[in-house]
Amino acid sequence: TQLLEQSPQFLSIQEGENLTVYCNSSSVFSSLQWYRQEPGEGPVLLVTVVTGGEVKKLKRLTFQFGDARKDSSLHITAAQPGDTGLYLCACCARDDKIIFGKGTRLHILP
Amino acid sequence: DARVTQTPRHKVTEMGQEVTMRCQPILGHNTVFWYRQTMMQGLELLAYFRNRAPLDDSGMPKDRFSAEMPDATLATLKIQPSEPRDSAVYFCASGLVYGRTEAFFGQGTRLTVV
Repeated sequence: TQLLEQSPQFLSIQEGENLTVYCNSSSVFSSLQWYRQEPGEGPVLLVTVVTGGEVKKLKRLTFQFGDARKDSSLHITAAQPGDTGLYLCACCARDDKIIFGKGTRLHILP
Repeated sequence: DARVTQTPRHKVTEMGQEVTMRCQPILGHNTVFWYRQTMMQGLELLAYFRNRAPLDDSGMPKDRFSAEMPDATLATLKIQPSEPRDSAVYFCASGLVYGRTEAFFGQGTRLTVV
């Protein structure tokens, strides 16, 4: 059973459009992280959300942690080709080990 | 510019050969993770260390994989003997536990076993 379910698996949209990707679980988390991975590179941490209902913004990216701390979303406004990549959510299982979802592969068409 | 360094970046080897991948974590980080990434399975946690002690290696095939931290500046992942199904990108990440852990990744080792 996958601890973190991400949807959609793949998303291809035109430059300038808005999009939202999701990360869901049946478990309650103390915190949740979002990473972005570009081809040939390791994942890079974008943000950590901690409090239920928390919203964090990183330029055109908006991250939200669900009130029950079991889900999270990432919204991108006016997507740019530079946003192309694999978006991964991750969280801490017991003993603080970090487990990843399978990711959403995003492709922005110029 | 602190970063996690992994060597080699690419490795092609024949089935049955031993493979050793190395990782230099960020200085001062007390946690090291080894992950394997494939298209089918995504990022799978193989093993992780806290203060050089192995905490969990349940994700690792025990008969052929081993992970060690001989000192605070070096983590190794060995496969012996290697098999074609081991072909994947192997990532090392380090972090600092302070209530929650955040992972800083190296660029990975792309392993191809033929």
